Amino acid sequence: EAQVTQNPRYLITVTGKKLTVTCSQNMNHEYMSWYRQDPGLGLRQIYYSMNVEVTDKGDVPEGYKVSRKEKRNFPLILESPSPNQTSLYFCASSFSLAPGELFFGEGSRLTVL
Amino acid sequence: AQSVSQHNHHVILSEAASLELGCNYSYGGTVNLFWYVQYPGQHLQLLLKYFSGDPLVKGIKGFEAEFIKSKFSFNLRKPSVQWSDTAEYFCAVNGVSFQKLVFGTGTRLLVSP
Repeated sequence: EAQVTQNPRYLITVTGKKLTVTCSQNMNHEYMSWYRQDPGLGLRQIYYSMNVEVTDKGDVPEGYKVSRKEKRNFPLILESPSPNQTSLYFCASSFSLAPGELFFGEGSRLTVL
Repeated sequence: AQSVSQHNHHVILSEAASLELGCNYSYGGTVNLFWYVQYPGQHLQLLLKYFSGDPLVKGIKGFEAEFIKSKFSFNLRKPSVQWSDTAEYFCAVNGVSFQKLVFGTGTRLLVSP
């Protein structure tokens, strides 16, 4: 089954404790992206990757890191999480963003205390 | 920079009522347009998309949208909503020279039985 898989789906952590949210897609997609969803703000792009070893900042990259060492994986790293990073995170992939459509993962709900 | 506006943040309808959700974007070039739906507790799924050609596009579950270039709009419509249409709806735009999909802030639709 074609899908984008994120883990963990739910996480409660404390300020400053490094964490990684994994994202894996099995559709051989070139493009991958991370979004965060906050009430009243919609989805905002954090980082994206056009291909392996190619990543770039989105609209809200502060406090996040990413890597794209393999085509299928695109982990999101929070080196020192803070409460303002409490959010719902979505990973998405596309064969080609222009003019492709995005396929989304199930989401990861993160709470930083 | 491209942006997307969804003017209706919350919409409440009774079953069988007609639906129209507004979406306006700001970008002067060629665009690809999308409507995504997010059912409670789920990830985003594509409802419909416009790339080129007939400005009236039909999607899944009886939804349609009309692209009016002169108004920079891509409004979503459904003649008769059902309780199962209760969800949040996101309009998104991808300018073909941009490497990301920009989302509106979303419209929460509640359909009462």
